[in-house]
Amino acid sequence: DGGITQSPKYLFRKEGQNVTLSCEQNLNHDAMYWYRQDPGQGLRLIYYSQIVNDFQKGDIAEGYSVSREKKESFPLTVTSAQKNPTAFYLCASSLTSDPQETQYFGPGTRLLVL
Amino acid sequence: GNSVTQMEGPVTLSEEAFLTINCTYTATGYPSLFWYVQYPGEGLQLLLKATKADDKGSNKGFEATYRKETTSFHLEKGSVQVSDSAVYFCALRPMDSSYKLIFGSGTRLLVRP
Repeated sequence: DGGITQSPKYLFRKEGQNVTLSCEQNLNHDAMYWYRQDPGQGLRLIYYSQIVNDFQKGDIAEGYSVSREKKESFPLTVTSAQKNPTAFYLCASSLTSDPQETQYFGPGTRLLVL
Repeated sequence: GNSVTQMEGPVTLSEEAFLTINCTYTATGYPSLFWYVQYPGEGLQLLLKATKADDKGSNKGFEATYRKETTSFHLEKGSVQVSDSAVYFCALRPMDSSYKLIFGSGTRLLVRP
């Protein structure tokens, strides 16, 4: 089956710790995205990548980092600089970055701070 | 700037009732418009989309028409089911920022048997 997988489903972070969220897609999509969702709110863009080895900051990139070494993978690291990391994190991909292309979402990772 | 405004929820309906969830937007030009649905504990699923004025998106009995004159993309369904209970997000993708989806705050729908 083609799709987007995210792991783990739940992740716990201790104070001062960096954690990495995994996102993999086998759809052969060029573009990938990371969004953050807070309770009762819409999604906000953290980072996006239009092509391998390239990525750009979104609206709320502070305290986060990404890499795009392979087309199918776009991991997100939540660093200790992110002071309020508790949220639901959603990865998405689209065939290209054309505005008419649909973004498809993974099942999400819920990050909780201990 | 670009923005999406949705009606506040929760919206509570009885099974087989008619559903409307209002969505209006602010954007330059002709953005693409989307409705996504999120079931409890899950990611978002694309429900329907429209990419130009007067287009009607439809899927699973849901419909929405891209109205440029009223800058709206209201979601409708003639007869809701309990399984439609979820959070519905309206979103736009601006013409000038191809990388980005801009979301509304979501509307929770609860359908009672």
